[in-house]
Amino acid sequence: GDSVTQMEGPVTLSEEAFLTINCTYTATGYPSLFWYVQYPGEGLQLLLKATKADDKGSNKGFEATYRKETTSFHLEKGSVQVSDSAVYFCALPTSGTYKYIFGTGTRLKVLA
Amino acid sequence: DVKVTQSSRYLVKRTGEKVFLECVQDMDHENMFWYRQDPGLGLRLIYFSYDVKMKEKGDIPEGYSVSREKKERFSLILESASTNQTSMYLCASAAPSSYNEQFFGPGTRLTVL
Repeated sequence: GDSVTQMEGPVTLSEEAFLTINCTYTATGYPSLFWYVQYPGEGLQLLLKATKADDKGSNKGFEATYRKETTSFHLEKGSVQVSDSAVYFCALPTSGTYKYIFGTGTRLKVLA
Repeated sequence: DVKVTQSSRYLVKRTGEKVFLECVQDMDHENMFWYRQDPGLGLRLIYFSYDVKMKEKGDIPEGYSVSREKKERFSLILESASTNQTSMYLCASAAPSSYNEQFFGPGTRLTVL
């Protein structure tokens, strides 16, 4: 069945460091792919998405490219800030259903 | 500003009580979802609904039921709360397409004593 695998956290970085959070998936066909972010005490919100292979989603300095060859959708940011401290979830809709699959989440902590 | 609201941010209940968690969305979305979020387990789908009065079980429906009498409202019911249902509960809604994002409420942190 469809699945999402995310790198385990927590990830601790200094401000202005480069961030990569890995996400790989297995799916039937070529679903849309999503990154969500959850700030402390809040629900999830969409960070970025890509709807087809080779698409690059971007928002707030974050980027992710839909790579069908490696079935990956890694999240990157060139220079993180303390305000980026949050939990990040990779997600995809399952084929033929209304359901979405979420990764287990990666906690990011950015130190000043 | 689009919104998904949940009836409570924090809730404390006793074992055996019947618990209602309410979710309301103002985006006219057909699809609505209830998840629970636990450390190390990510989000797990409890139930979802794709139309009024329509529902399907998710991955962990045991001990829960749902109700969707109106399009904008989706309720999660714990018939007899147990301590292992202590968790964060998240409601979400989405338009019916795999291109569409889910919109989440702020969550309800439920503690069952």
